[in-house]
Amino acid sequence: QPALTQPPSASGSPGQSVTISCTGTSSDIGTYHYVSWYQQRPGKAPQLLIYMVNQRPSGVPDRFSGSKSGNTASLTVSGLQSEDEAEYFCSSYAGANNHVFGTGSHLTVL
Amino acid sequence: QVQLQQWGAGLLKPSETLSLTCAVYGGSFTGNYWTWIRQSPGKGLEWVGEINHSGNTNYSPSLKSRVTISVDTSTNQFSLRLTSVSAADTAVYFCARRRVAARVFDFWGQGNLVTVSS
Repeated sequence: QPALTQPPSASGSPGQSVTISCTGTSSDIGTYHYVSWYQQRPGKAPQLLIYMVNQRPSGVPDRFSGSKSGNTASLTVSGLQSEDEAEYFCSSYAGANNHVFGTGSHLTVL
Repeated sequence: QVQLQQWGAGLLKPSETLSLTCAVYGGSFTGNYWTWIRQSPGKGLEWVGEINHSGNTNYSPSLKSRVTISVDTSTNQFSLRLTSVSAADTAVYFCARRRVAARVFDFWGQGNLVTVSS
């Protein structure tokens, strides 16, 4: 199962908004509403940010939001803060009890 | 609060068998799927497979022939075995909880680096 495609990097200044894309196919993102996003800091396990395209777990700031259009999902980080600098991964259900992850995007806060 | 704690051998030789175990503390063990995910150095995440309390398993098609995931409900632990390892299997291996309805990995273990080298 090919990985979902993300841009290797993204950047923005404090206070700005940044959007990270995650492109899949009609077999995963295009069909299922089970897209999730994770933040990973160096040496740590990923942490859940968004699930089911646009749902935020309790404790995740509302600066993080998700959306989907066709075969592409997006994560938007508004009001960038220095602590948002990290790696971000998307994930999607791919049918037949299979899951696929994105290639990862490193977010730099300038 | 759910916590996952994992352990296992960190250095293997090619052709050996990788073995990792993950213990679950807190939350419901019976209502979720228990998953293994790996991350090769400097690369993305790869879903390896999962199991529920009844022993129902799902495996990545690319690893299916070498992977076995088992569960011990008496201790709330689950384990990963990966046979015939090679350098390509060098990665940090994470255990994680997958919520059934939302298909999301919401709690993760700390990760174990497994290195395959002769």
